[in-house]
Amino acid sequence: ETGVTQTPRHLVMGMTNKKSLKCEQHLGHNAMYWYKQSAKKPLELMFVYNFKEQTENNSVPSRFSPECPNSSHLFLHLHTLQPEDSALYLCASSQGAGTGWSGYTFGSGTRLTVV
Amino acid sequence: GENVEQHPSTLSVQEGDSAVIKCTYSDSASNYFPWYKQELGKRPQLIIDIRSNVGEKKDQRIAVTLNKTAKHFSLHITETQPEDSAVYFCAASIGNQFYFGTGTSLTVIP
Repeated sequence: ETGVTQTPRHLVMGMTNKKSLKCEQHLGHNAMYWYKQSAKKPLELMFVYNFKEQTENNSVPSRFSPECPNSSHLFLHLHTLQPEDSALYLCASSQGAGTGWSGYTFGSGTRLTVV
Repeated sequence: GENVEQHPSTLSVQEGDSAVIKCTYSDSASNYFPWYKQELGKRPQLIIDIRSNVGEKKDQRIAVTLNKTAKHFSLHITETQPEDSAVYFCAASIGNQFYFGTGTSLTVIP
């Protein structure tokens, strides 16, 4: 374990369902992120939270709704998704920026399939 | 915004040979360049990184070079082993926002 835990590992949902992805980090980091990983595409940044304040929303459709109740927990609420939303959703955390940057620590991801 | 391109998308090498993966970036403000290795079904893991004030960094069989003028950086793996088989991602960062390449699937043939 790297200190970033994501649940569930796999999720199959219908287009009318509502579900949530959960991410938890025990590293004392101050920033958390959601990334989408689709086949043959770059990792796509979705949301950034610094000290539980959202600082980045990378033009993500409103059917994805993030929530960061504290600096250790991050959720991604899903509703009325489309089949093209099927992907691996990775959570990451980090500490510092600029010359203090130490890189991301990634979770294992949630493999989402929308049917 | 930043645009990172990565080549090749697939790479096969014989065990013991060297592998080189190249990335280019567009924004001269990028100042940190990590490389991640992602084995099948696992999370990306940082394997090496380089900052913009350094031209080369080496860690055992892995090295990274950075050419700021040309805006490109490369990952070099020497004496490849089957366990090096994975997808490798480069990234360029400005502050704490990362821009990733599309990944290179490396296969090391025993």
